[in-house]
Amino acid sequence: DTGVSQDPRHKITKRGQNVTFRCDPISEHNRLYWYRQTLGQGPEFLTYFQNEAQLEKSRLLSDRFSAERPKGSFSTLEIQRTEQGDSAMYLCASSLGTGTTGANVLTFGAGSRLTVL
Amino acid sequence: AQSVTQLDSHVSVSEGTPVLLRCNYSSSYSPSLFWYVQHPNKGLQLLLKYTSAATLVKGINGFEAEFKKSETSFHLTKPSAHMSDAAEYFCVVSRMEYGNKLVFGAGTILRVKS
Repeated sequence: DTGVSQDPRHKITKRGQNVTFRCDPISEHNRLYWYRQTLGQGPEFLTYFQNEAQLEKSRLLSDRFSAERPKGSFSTLEIQRTEQGDSAMYLCASSLGTGTTGANVLTFGAGSRLTVL
Repeated sequence: AQSVTQLDSHVSVSEGTPVLLRCNYSSSYSPSLFWYVQHPNKGLQLLLKYTSAATLVKGINGFEAEFKKSETSFHLTKPSAHMSDAAEYFCVVSRMEYGNKLVFGAGTILRVKS
């Protein structure tokens, strides 16, 4: 396993189109996170899964955004009716969460860069 | 609420001189603190983490950070900068009560001059 994989690495789309990003986490990791990073800012939390359950969603995740992790392995992030403000780098990360103990170290993928024209 | 403030958006040093990247955090409880580095077109990489053990934390590539509760700081240092250290660095706080999600600072871009 070479780490967290994201696809596609780059996506250019026209406003109003739908886009979908895929994330393949490290295989033994039960937690999966999505973050968004815009120019000049640090990554911002969007949502996270423990196995197939989506446990938390940020207020940043409008109803045009939906994330799934159907079998507790890979995840998809879909953006419907894209807007120019959605242009950003979408980062996926995974970790091996063990209840509430210990520090949760996340391994990040290289990201999927979205440009909405 | 928890947050981190990176005090410098850009830092420029000469190769071979010390590096200091400053970070202050706010958290109601004992946080976990991290430094991540992001090289262009690469994923975020963990440099080091603090989890309430030793206050001086050593990381990869010669970096270290000291947790100072009285100053609510977690500054990142390196004795001697290398050209390959040029990247963007993020100070990050995490709390288990929030599902361990990470809250990132705005980042500090480190430039290393030859």
